[in-house]
Amino acid sequence: GQQLNQSPQSMFIQEGEDVSMNCTSSSIFNTWLWYKQDPGEGPVLLIALYKAGELTSNGRLTAQFGITRKDSFLNISASIPSDVGIYFCAGHYNPGGGADGLTFGKGTHLIIQP
Amino acid sequence: EPEVTQTPSHQVTQMGQEVILRCVPISNHLYFYWYRQILGQKVEFLVSFYNNEISEKSEIFDDQFSVERPDGSNFTLKIRSTKLEDSAMYFCASSTDTQYFGPGTRLTVL
Repeated sequence: GQQLNQSPQSMFIQEGEDVSMNCTSSSIFNTWLWYKQDPGEGPVLLIALYKAGELTSNGRLTAQFGITRKDSFLNISASIPSDVGIYFCAGHYNPGGGADGLTFGKGTHLIIQP
Repeated sequence: EPEVTQTPSHQVTQMGQEVILRCVPISNHLYFYWYRQILGQKVEFLVSFYNNEISEKSEIFDDQFSVERPDGSNFTLKIRSTKLEDSAMYFCASSTDTQYFGPGTRLTVL
């Protein structure tokens, strides 16, 4: 099956710093998604990417769909305390559309030090 | 803003018992999913459902699992005979194109 490598596994940063995390896939995807998960809750969609090369922003968050279709990154600018949580990349390859399950990365745990 | 809801939030059961986890997907969505997340691990796909039948399932989704859409709003996951290793968070999701997740049910098998 498809494998996603997400890095880094964890990040310890100071408030106000920028953050960057990325995912690489063993095979091509046609959809990349970035979710945030707080403890005990479900993943919350941050950004969805549908086209190779696409660069999309959502407030302080920016994500890109890699041209090779095998990678994606997420950047967070000027981090704030509520950014703390686990960030997951996810994707799938489903050219015909429909109900394909997502493959998730192992997550990046973001910790902001006061 | 419409959202996926799940009940119960926490289910405790004895090994060997049957459990049914319930989900109400977003009302205009056509595709429904179940995922699980073992504590501290990544989210894993179990099954997808479209047009009243299973569309795709993973190797985790064995004969102990079944899904059903008993009416126009609910989507359920049944585990026939629970095992200790079934303890996990179970997430329902729904989509037209992008998948939105519910808050999850924490299943604890004793």
